[in-house]
Amino acid sequence: EAGVAQSPRYKIIEKRQSVAFWCNPISGHATLYWYQQILGQGPKLLIQFQNNGVVDDSQLPKDRFSAERLKGVDSTLKIQPAKLEDSAVYLCASSFSSQSSYNEQFFGPGTRLTVL
Amino acid sequence: RKEVEQDPGPFNVPEGATVAFNCTYSNSASQSFFWYRQDCRKEPKLLMSVYSSGNEDGRFTAQLNRASQYISLLIRDSKLSDSATYLCVVNEMNSGGYQKVTFGTGTKLQVIP
Repeated sequence: EAGVAQSPRYKIIEKRQSVAFWCNPISGHATLYWYQQILGQGPKLLIQFQNNGVVDDSQLPKDRFSAERLKGVDSTLKIQPAKLEDSAVYLCASSFSSQSSYNEQFFGPGTRLTVL
Repeated sequence: RKEVEQDPGPFNVPEGATVAFNCTYSNSASQSFFWYRQDCRKEPKLLMSVYSSGNEDGRFTAQLNRASQYISLLIRDSKLSDSATYLCVVNEMNSGGYQKVTFGTGTKLQVIP
């Protein structure tokens, strides 16, 4: 079974530039998550989708971050404009459904973003 | 108080040692609990779920203490390959009926030859 795919794996940009990350979850998984993981910290949830609807975006900095999952399958996370503090690994994860108390998440390899 | 707290470590232990990590959570209504393992520069992967009655998987034992609001992970007979960061995950139901997921900061374990 194919895992969660993410691209690009690495991205280096200058501050104030824009960047977009793509994620394709495991087939059949209704829930998709985007996390930000800063070095030495645990993953911080940015946004959670159930199919194509947002169920939690309380920690998404909406002035610069946006995400969409238009057809309920793959998803894009965008940062515009980027700041130095956005340097982190952006992890995408999927699970069968977040309506169950047992919802193992499967993570993609992440995109390592460096903002100069 | 943070929603989910872990001692960041690092815990440096010799091979064969037993080591235990704790994770505390603030919301008494939290419903489900997990331990994930994250190797250096890799993505997190599920290690085990934590059940109320406690559960064991080989050298690993996870326990939940709802009264004191913490979960624990015990690793017996540590191997070099156990060196990783161990992330505590706590789920609670949000108002929309979906599980809200919170990760701890992780505890780093280094097993020394």
